[in-house]
Amino acid sequence: SQKIEQNSEALNIQEGKTATLTCNYTNYSPAYLQWYRQDPGRGPVFLLLIRENEKEKRKERLKVTFDTTLKQSLFHITASQPADSATYLCALRGGSNYKLTFGKGTLLTVNP
Amino acid sequence: KAGVTQTPRYLIKTRGQQVTLSCSPISGHRSVSWYQQTPGQGLQFLFEYFSETQRNKGNFPGRFSGRQFSNSRSEMNVSTLELGDSALYLCASSLSLDGELFFGEGSRLTVL
Repeated sequence: SQKIEQNSEALNIQEGKTATLTCNYTNYSPAYLQWYRQDPGRGPVFLLLIRENEKEKRKERLKVTFDTTLKQSLFHITASQPADSATYLCALRGGSNYKLTFGKGTLLTVNP
Repeated sequence: KAGVTQTPRYLIKTRGQQVTLSCSPISGHRSVSWYQQTPGQGLQFLFEYFSETQRNKGNFPGRFSGRQFSNSRSEMNVSTLELGDSALYLCASSLSLDGELFFGEGSRLTVL
């Protein structure tokens, strides 16, 4: 069956370091992958989209990579700040029914 | 530009009752999707609508239904409520079936 796994439920890092979050998938041929940020009690907010034919996308301090051979996406936040603390969700669009499916998220805490 | 509006924000129901949740998408957005979010399961896809047609449906029982109106506003209904239906129900809109989703703040349903 199709599965999306965000390997860490929680990640703690020190301010100024680079946070790296992982999203793995199985039995999928995704057309594209998205990353969202969700703060407690709020709806998710879109961050980045990367298509199957793209290797890397950047936006300010954010970088996403997409390796369709490894079936993995990495999400990096450089020079992390306490304000980056949130849950980060990956989502894949693909499969026979082409619906957008979310991983369970990784809770990132950036300590000052 | 107004964001996605969901009503009501909070509601409490008892088992066996039914509930209707409403979603007003961003002006000009024709696609609306619904998700159920619980701590254990994360974001679970419910439905996706485009131009009043249901394009996709998740793996939920028939007690969960939805529709989209000609002005793109959407409603979802849950009948014969069960305790396990307690969750945050999130609505998202987008310009098309592809692309980034804009989420509302959600409707938090508690079933007693």
